[in-house]
Amino acid sequence: GDSVTQMEGPVTLSEEAFLTINCTYTATGYPSLFWYVQYPGEGLQLLLKATKADDKGSNKGFEATYRKETTSFHLEKGSVQVSDSAVYFCALSDAGAQKLVFGQGTRLTINP
Amino acid sequence: KAGVTQTPRYLIKTRGQQVTLSCSPISGHRSVSWYQQTPGQGLQFLFEYFSETQRNKGNFPGRFSGRQFSNSRSEMNVSTLELGDSALYLCASSLGRQGSKGGYTFGSGTRLTVV
Repeated sequence: GDSVTQMEGPVTLSEEAFLTINCTYTATGYPSLFWYVQYPGEGLQLLLKATKADDKGSNKGFEATYRKETTSFHLEKGSVQVSDSAVYFCALSDAGAQKLVFGQGTRLTINP
Repeated sequence: KAGVTQTPRYLIKTRGQQVTLSCSPISGHRSVSWYQQTPGQGLQFLFEYFSETQRNKGNFPGRFSGRQFSNSRSEMNVSTLELGDSALYLCASSLGRQGSKGGYTFGSGTRLTVV
């Protein structure tokens, strides 16, 4: 079945550092890809999405590009802030299944 | 515009009891999905409802059930609770059955603790 693999955390960075969280997927069809963020005590917030190969999703300084050839959707940000501390989930959705398949999540902590 | 509302936020139940969780989607959203989040298993899909019909179901035992009402509000029920059912239950809504493209909006969840 479909699956998503994220880099293991936790990840700890200093403020203004460059961030990369790796995400690769396995899917039989052509899924849409998402990054969700979860702050403590809250639900999931959609951070960005890409629905087809070579699409780049971006939001709040975060970016990710749908790479079909490497089945990847890595999350990047050029300069992180303390407020970016959260758990980040990579996910895919197959139109046929109408559900999200999540990676295990990566806990990110940014120190001032 | 109100977001996805889940009630209650916290719940403590005893093994063997049953529980009902509620989810009110964003106004106009007709698709509601439920997910279970645990430290060990992560986020797992429970089921999806659209137009009052269950369209998709995850790999959970029959003790987990749900329904959707004509106003798109949804409830999920867990009977004969087990300790392993302790989790954060998240509800997500989307405009139609296009959540796979546009993304889903999640509620803040209901934290269920079974003792």
